[in-house]
Amino acid sequence: GAVVSQHPSRVICKSGTSVKIECRSLDFQATTMFWYRQFPKQSLMLMATSNEGSKATYEQGVEKDKFLINHASLTLSTLTVTSAHPEDSSFYICSAISTGTGELFFGEGSRLTVL
Amino acid sequence: GESVGLHLPTLSVQEGDNSIINCAYSNSASDYFIWYKQESGKGPQFIIDIRSNMDKRQGQRVTVLLNKTVKHLSLQIAATQPGDSAVYFCAENISGGALTFGSGTRLQVQP
Repeated sequence: GAVVSQHPSRVICKSGTSVKIECRSLDFQATTMFWYRQFPKQSLMLMATSNEGSKATYEQGVEKDKFLINHASLTLSTLTVTSAHPEDSSFYICSAISTGTGELFFGEGSRLTVL
Repeated sequence: GESVGLHLPTLSVQEGDNSIINCAYSNSASDYFIWYKQESGKGPQFIIDIRSNMDKRQGQRVTVLLNKTVKHLSLQIAATQPGDSAVYFCAENISGGALTFGSGTRLQVQP
């Protein structure tokens, strides 16, 4: 079946550094991918919609200069958390829509811990 | 970071009993609804979906009911098993758009 892979699954970084998280659709093409953030004991909150070949659309309150999204190919979207701070520690989850079937698939998430 | 004091509502059931998890959605224009199961440290796992032109859909051991009048969605799990223990989220969207997730319910199955 279709799989969405996220890498890394866990990352620990120092405050002030930048971290890149990859989201790949392994056996389908995805024009559109979504990035969510989930704090402990909370629901998934949409951060941005990533569109291949164009700029991402950010939700209100999400800083586009802090959370850089690049969707340079039909199978890869990246989220870069720039100048990370402890409050950015969270579970980041991506999802991808299959261009062929319209089905939506979720990745397994990436846990970021900023010290 | 973590919000102190936030707790997910919890439903505790005995193994073998039926479980009913409820969700109120917000957007009357939503036309597609999905239930997800999320285990600790993992991404959401699709359980069952339903479109707004239906009011009931059945899967294996699961049934989703949709009441558009009161904007209410429920997930029924038959013969609940310990492996069903997880957090369950409802999600809604307007065709092709991003999903909006509900707040979630933790299901605890007592053996």
